[in-house]
Amino acid sequence: AQKVTQAQTEISVVEKEDVTLDCVYETRDTTYYLFWYKQPPSGELVFLIRRNSFDEQNEISGRYSWNFQKSTSSFNFTITASQVVDSAVYFCALSEGTGGGNKLTFGTGTQLKVEL
Amino acid sequence: DSGVTQTPKHLITATGQRVTLRCSPRSGDLSVYWYQQSLDQGLQFLIQYYNGEERAKGNILERFSAQQFPDLHSELNLSSLELGDSALYFCASSVAGQRNTEAFFGQGTRLTVV
Repeated sequence: AQKVTQAQTEISVVEKEDVTLDCVYETRDTTYYLFWYKQPPSGELVFLIRRNSFDEQNEISGRYSWNFQKSTSSFNFTITASQVVDSAVYFCALSEGTGGGNKLTFGTGTQLKVEL
Repeated sequence: DSGVTQTPKHLITATGQRVTLRCSPRSGDLSVYWYQQSLDQGLQFLIQYYNGEERAKGNILERFSAQQFPDLHSELNLSSLELGDSALYFCASSVAGQRNTEAFFGQGTRLTVV
């Protein structure tokens, strides 16, 4: 069975600090897809990134960067120079494609609080 | 704004009742997904439709059913409601139905069963 673990339940940082959110996954598939979503206090889920299993190149988008390591089954997310607007719950997810479908298995989320 | 529209935003109903949640996907998206978010279960996949047909199914209760209409909007029907069904129900959509496509989520419908 597929599983996503986000061991950090809550992280508090001061604005401008860098913060890394951890994500560890389990799957038997050789081809799979990993995602990060953000859930701000308003409640909606916002797509941040998709990464496929055969591309281990790290990705940077502005203050956001992602480190994918197949050897440790991890897909960590770093926010550089955090801002108060980054305060949200962040979810890591794994795509399970049984029978051609697209089912996302989510981790339990990490609550990030950025304070002034 | 993701482009996925869910109505209503809030719903309060009594145990034993039946409700219908509605979702309009992003323009051009053929696949619709339903997820339930609760404090004890987290975010759980319920069901996926692609172009009107069921594509994947999660741990959806038998009291729950869904469908996708020819105009691609979807409805999730919840019946014989119990207190434990109180949750945030998300609809998401994607262009295709395979696992290499990202899903965009609506703002959710918060269901409270009293």
